[in-house]
Amino acid sequence: RKEVEQDPGPFNVPEGATVAFNCTYSNSASQSFFWYRQDCRKEPKLLMSVYSSGNEDGRFTAQLNRASQYISLLIRDSKLSDSATYLCVVFTGGFKTIFGAGTRLFVKA
Amino acid sequence: EAGVTQFPSHSVIEKGQTVTLRCDPISGHDNLYWYRRVMGKEIKFLLHFVKESKQDESGMPNNRFLAERTGGTYSTLKVQPAELEDSGVYFCASSQFGAREKLFFGSGTQLSVL
Repeated sequence: RKEVEQDPGPFNVPEGATVAFNCTYSNSASQSFFWYRQDCRKEPKLLMSVYSSGNEDGRFTAQLNRASQYISLLIRDSKLSDSATYLCVVFTGGFKTIFGAGTRLFVKA
Repeated sequence: EAGVTQFPSHSVIEKGQTVTLRCDPISGHDNLYWYRRVMGKEIKFLLHFVKESKQDESGMPNNRFLAERTGGTYSTLKVQPAELEDSGVYFCASSQFGAREKLFFGSGTQLSVL
C-alpha cells in the first residue's frame, strides 16, 4: 500500500463546475499536509496548506481529517487555468516528504 | 528575487557515465531537498540538507548517488556510474528555516540514461 494515495483521475469538468479531490495517508504520525499544483512539464508549486480547521483561499478549500487520515481539496467555479495535476504532499517526522502520484484535472470550456 | 535554479535542464548520457546535477537554492534558504520523478511514478524524496549538513538521506537509491552542499549554498548530486533506471526528472527544492515545509521547486533536470 502506498503511503499517500490519490485518485489519478483524470477529472474532466466544465468551466464553473465544483470539483473535489481526496487523498489518504497511511502514517498516523504524519505532521503536515499540503496541496501542490503541477502544470505539464513544470515544477510543483505550493497551492495551500491543509489544517484540521480547514483552510480557504478564494475558490479553493482544503480540509484535513486526522481520524480518517484523509485530506481533501475543493475547487469551486472551475476555470480553464485550473487544469493541472494536483499533488497531495505529506510531511512525516523529520523532513521526509511523501508525495501522492497526483490527480489530473481538465477544465473544459 | 531569483527562484531555485537547476542545471542542466536536460542531460543525455550513456550507461556507465557520470553526471553531476547542480541546484542553487533561493538565497537564505537553509533547507535544500532533492527529489526524483521516474516516468509514471510519484515524486520521491532523495535527501535533505540543512545548510551543509545532511539531515536525512534515507531516500537515496544506492551508493552510486552522492550529494554535497559545500558551504551551505549550492548543492550537487552526482550519479556514478549511471544506470538505465536512473532516468527521470530530478527536482531540487528549498525552504526557509522557519517554514521548512513550504517548498520552492526548481524546474528540474531531465536525465536520460541510454
